[in-house]
Amino acid sequence: AQSVSQHNHHVILSEAASLELGCNYSYGGTVNLFWYVQYPGQHLQLLLKYFSGDPLVKGIKGFEAEFIKSKFSFNLRKPSVQWSDTAEYFCAVNVRGYQKVTFGTGTKLQVIP
Amino acid sequence: NAGVTQTPKFQVLKTGQSMTLQCAQDMNHNSMYWYRQDPGMGLRLIYYSASEGTTDKGEVPNGYNVSRLNKREFSLRLESAAPSQTSVYFCASSGARLVPFEQFFGPGTRLTVL
Repeated sequence: AQSVSQHNHHVILSEAASLELGCNYSYGGTVNLFWYVQYPGQHLQLLLKYFSGDPLVKGIKGFEAEFIKSKFSFNLRKPSVQWSDTAEYFCAVNVRGYQKVTFGTGTKLQVIP
Repeated sequence: NAGVTQTPKFQVLKTGQSMTLQCAQDMNHNSMYWYRQDPGMGLRLIYYSASEGTTDKGEVPNGYNVSRLNKREFSLRLESAAPSQTSVYFCASSGARLVPFEQFFGPGTRLTVL
């Protein structure tokens, strides 16, 4: 079964700092990859996704992620964070051909004004 | 277009009581899911339904049952609630033609079992 690791559990940054959140998965086959965001008190919503093609994908609100197949990684990046990016971020993996999506344990990001 | 709706938003139960969490989606999605979210553990899949008429266990199915009533509705039942089932429960659906497996989430049900 696939698993997803998010190594940073809690990240604190000042506004305008750059962000990189790590995500590694453990499945050798073809996967679909996702990053979801959960703002305080809200439900999860999709930030970006990778299915195929260009391994550098861009999402909403200036976020991007790079799929590095050799490293089984799909790290999330943003060049300059804002206070409004304070949220919990979840990486998720779906194995092609299966319905299940496996989520990581999440990273709480706190951005200090 | 309401997306994914869940009822109730909050619930307090005593140990041993039963209840059903309701979920409905209006996006004509084939697949529906129930997750629980606990601090430090992310989202864990309880049950899912790949299509109307089918249900399958996820990572943590013990203590729960589900019913895919029709294409729109997918309910989660706790037959005899336990304190370990205190959690936030999210329903999700997927099946958009252009973006398969992108999941759309409901607002959640916060359940406390005393």
